[in-house]
Amino acid sequence: QSALTQPPSASGSPGQSVTISCTGTSSDVGGYNYVSWYQQHPGKAPKVMIYEVSKRPSGVPDRFSGSKSGYTASLTVSGLQGDDEADYYCSSYAGNNKVVFGGGTKLTVL
Amino acid sequence: QLQLQESGPGLVKPSETLSLTCTVSGGSISSGGYYWGWIRQPPGKGLEWIGSLYYGGNTIYNPSLKSRVTISVDTSKNQLSLRLSSVTAADTAVYYCTGPNNYFYTMDVWGQGTTVTVSS
Repeated sequence: QSALTQPPSASGSPGQSVTISCTGTSSDVGGYNYVSWYQQHPGKAPKVMIYEVSKRPSGVPDRFSGSKSGYTASLTVSGLQGDDEADYYCSSYAGNNKVVFGGGTKLTVL
Repeated sequence: QLQLQESGPGLVKPSETLSLTCTVSGGSISSGGYYWGWIRQPPGKGLEWIGSLYYGGNTIYNPSLKSRVTISVDTSKNQLSLRLSSVTAADTAVYYCTGPNNYFYTMDVWGQGTTVTVSS
């Protein structure tokens, strides 16, 4: 069982927006602004899309955005495109030099 | 452009030690100021942080694996290494090398991964 809770699936039509949640506790998501989001296409390595809750690495489209409220972090993908169909994982610093991940959310573009 | 390539045995017997290397090209692992680490993903499951090394500094491990894991660097070969002892079937996974990372809690660059199966 993963330390962070994500919905197993999410979906949206092309052009729409979808938000994926990542719920933790005061010891991880709620305690630090060190939440990251990763995109993983089948058979490929993960790619960081968001770090430190809402920062985007260079090259990541601004259609991807992150936020946090309390113990829940969120990834929003706007203007859905076919290539956004992938698994998405959140991670958080959890104190005491530890990193925890969510169980992943499969995003389907309808 | 920096690239990471994991390598090692694809099959390891239970109770033995899993050993993997990650060869870094296009950059130096000893340039300093960055974290290098390992992440694994069991078949059909999510990601698990194994540990991270700060070159010239400390190495930190997932508490759940700490007693069995060693991460080290061979600067002469520009390689990051992972050793996981007393493996069981639960250690079957794709193992990813990551780095250079500005912080150990965000994995900026990933290798393509290597599959390790634990079976007799």
